[in-house]
Amino acid sequence: QVQLQESGPGLLKPSQTLSLTCAISGDSVSNKTAVWNWIRQSPSRGLEWLGRTYYRSKWYYDYAASVKGRITVNPDTSKNQFSLQLKSVTPEDTAVYYCARRIHLTYYFDPWGQGTLVTVSS
Amino acid sequence: QSVLTQPPSVSGAPGQRVTISCTGSSSNMGADYDVHWYQRLPGTAPKLLIYKNSNRPSGVSDRFSGSKSGTSASLAITGLQPEDEADYYCQSYDTSLGIAVFGGGTKLTVL
Repeated sequence: QVQLQESGPGLLKPSQTLSLTCAISGDSVSNKTAVWNWIRQSPSRGLEWLGRTYYRSKWYYDYAASVKGRITVNPDTSKNQFSLQLKSVTPEDTAVYYCARRIHLTYYFDPWGQGTLVTVSS
Repeated sequence: QSVLTQPPSVSGAPGQRVTISCTGSSSNMGADYDVHWYQRLPGTAPKLLIYKNSNRPSGVSDRFSGSKSGTSASLAITGLQPEDEADYYCQSYDTSLGIAVFGGGTKLTVL
């Protein structure tokens, strides 16, 4: 059974960098059939897909236009996890952040992590 | 703000049947992309409930069913139980945006 668990600081000040990790158990971040995603949810923006990484003989990365230029998603094969970095945060980035897996050629997410609340406030 | 439109709330008495609608457009559901549904119980991770319009993952009760037609989809829950009280979200893929898109969520209250 695949399980995902997010971790990282819950409180940031504006202009700081948000850094979260998603620990994977029951699967491998290098699995060539998996796609590893970050999704967030806020009252103002609802559920919003942010970015993904996946391995197909080399690593690929894709990001939502809404955060492109500020976001980086990286795998860590030594710890079997992947990370999210979001630079120059503002209060608009306050949200619950989820990691989730998608299987190649499917368009649904399963499973999801529990989610972690990140608050941006001065 | 959500690309897919859901009613904010629905309610029903135990044992009743409720439906939750999800309306999209020609760039997502209307472009023949599947709809998927998630259930988020209070304090828990979203859980896949229905995939590819009408398929239930192993372990999901057959009281849950889904359908899709054109730019609309719906989730039906029969024999409502108190433990069904949760937030429900629809999701599809949008070819114009090139990303997965979600509904705003529907809070189900079991009266």
